[in-house]
Amino acid sequence: QSLLTQPPSVSAAPGQKVTISCSGSTSNTGNNYVSWYRQPPGTAPKLLIYDNNKRPSGIPDRFSGSKSGTSATLGITGLQSGDEADYYCGTWDSSLNAYVFGTGTKVTVL
Amino acid sequence: HLQLQESGSGLVKPSQTLSLTCGVSGGSSSTGGYSWNWIRQPPGKGLEWIGYIYHGGSTYYNPSLKSRLAISIDRSKNQFSLTLRSVTAADTAVYYCASEPDYASGTHFDYWGQGLLVTVSS
Repeated sequence: QSLLTQPPSVSAAPGQKVTISCSGSTSNTGNNYVSWYRQPPGTAPKLLIYDNNKRPSGIPDRFSGSKSGTSATLGITGLQSGDEADYYCGTWDSSLNAYVFGTGTKVTVL
Repeated sequence: HLQLQESGSGLVKPSQTLSLTCGVSGGSSSTGGYSWNWIRQPPGKGLEWIGYIYHGGSTYYNPSLKSRLAISIDRSKNQFSLTLRSVTAADTAVYYCASEPDYASGTHFDYWGQGLLVTVSS
């Protein structure tokens, strides 16, 4: 059972914005940096955001990350059909002494 | 940039040992600046971090798997390996290798292999 809770699914029309929440606790999201990954069907995850809000080179600024307290949020603007995928948050858990991933959110472009 | 590729047996019998290798190209698994991780994903389910080996050879394992797990590195071949003993059907998953850079403040995985499905079945 994952310690990081995400909504099972979110959807929006092309060009619109979606946000995905990642809710944890003081042992994980509250005191450690959060990263976000995108996983299209049948492919490996890809890093979108690290250190709460930083984008690796090549990731467009349509993707943004933020954190407040024990919750982190991924935002995607200008939604495209290619954004349909599963999205996972992740962070270190200082109680478990392990890296943990969120439950995952499926993004659907209507 | 780095490229990672998993290899190994895709079918393992219950109670036997799962062994996988991750080849690293476009960089070196022996150089500083990275730790080398294994992550798995049961069919239709979420991601689970397994553990890592640092370029110097030190390891850190998920406590839930620690008693059955070993990760090693072969710098001469630019690869690192996973061994998981006494497997059961619950170990059936796509296994990914991934790199974790040192430059950032928090743990994250910047490059991933394509994944290898390992099925535990008699």
